[in-house]
Amino acid sequence: AQKVTQAQTEISVVEKEDVTLDCVYETRDTTYYLFWYKQPPSGELVFLIRRNSFDEQNEISGRYSWNFQKSTSSFNFTITASQVVDSAVYFCALSGSPRPGGYNKLIFGAGTRLAVHP
Amino acid sequence: NAGVTQTPKFQVLKTGQSMTLQCAQDMNHEYMSWYRQDPGMGLRLIHYSVGAGITDQGEVPNGYNVSRSTTEDFPLRLLSAAPSQTSVYFCASSYSAAAGGTQYFGPGTRLLVL
Repeated sequence: AQKVTQAQTEISVVEKEDVTLDCVYETRDTTYYLFWYKQPPSGELVFLIRRNSFDEQNEISGRYSWNFQKSTSSFNFTITASQVVDSAVYFCALSGSPRPGGYNKLIFGAGTRLAVHP
Repeated sequence: NAGVTQTPKFQVLKTGQSMTLQCAQDMNHEYMSWYRQDPGMGLRLIHYSVGAGITDQGEVPNGYNVSRSTTEDFPLRLLSAAPSQTSVYFCASSYSAAAGGTQYFGPGTRLLVL
């Protein structure tokens, strides 16, 4: 069975602090994909990053960075120098490899609500 | 491109009523899906389609029907609304039906069943 755990329900930080959102996943697939989505207060879901299981390189995009570690089944997301606009719910999601009936189904974590205060 | 569009944005139903949530995409995407979002549970897959004429059940399909007569449209039908179907519904599409394709989401439909 596939599962995504985001143990942090809510995080509150002050602007300019660094913050890391944890994501732990479970899967028996050898090929799988991990995603992060952002849901701002307006409610839409915004795609942030996609990473496949064969690429363990860390990714940096501006103030955002992602640390993928297969050894610990984790795909953590760090925001450096947080800003008020980063306030949102962040979802980690998993998609497994193709198999009969196993199409592109995303398994989501419960989400982490990040509040950045001025 | 408008991307993925959903209508209505908000709907109130009485128990037992039926309705259709509309979803359309203009990106010629092969794969479309419906999720519901409930507090503390993330998003859960209701139904999905890997192409026109092909649909299948997701994790929580009971009480919902889908069809896909065209590549662009993927409506979700509530047959007899129940309070347990109060939720936010998201439609998503992806270029590929294979696992790993990035799914892009619509703005959501907030449904309240009284």
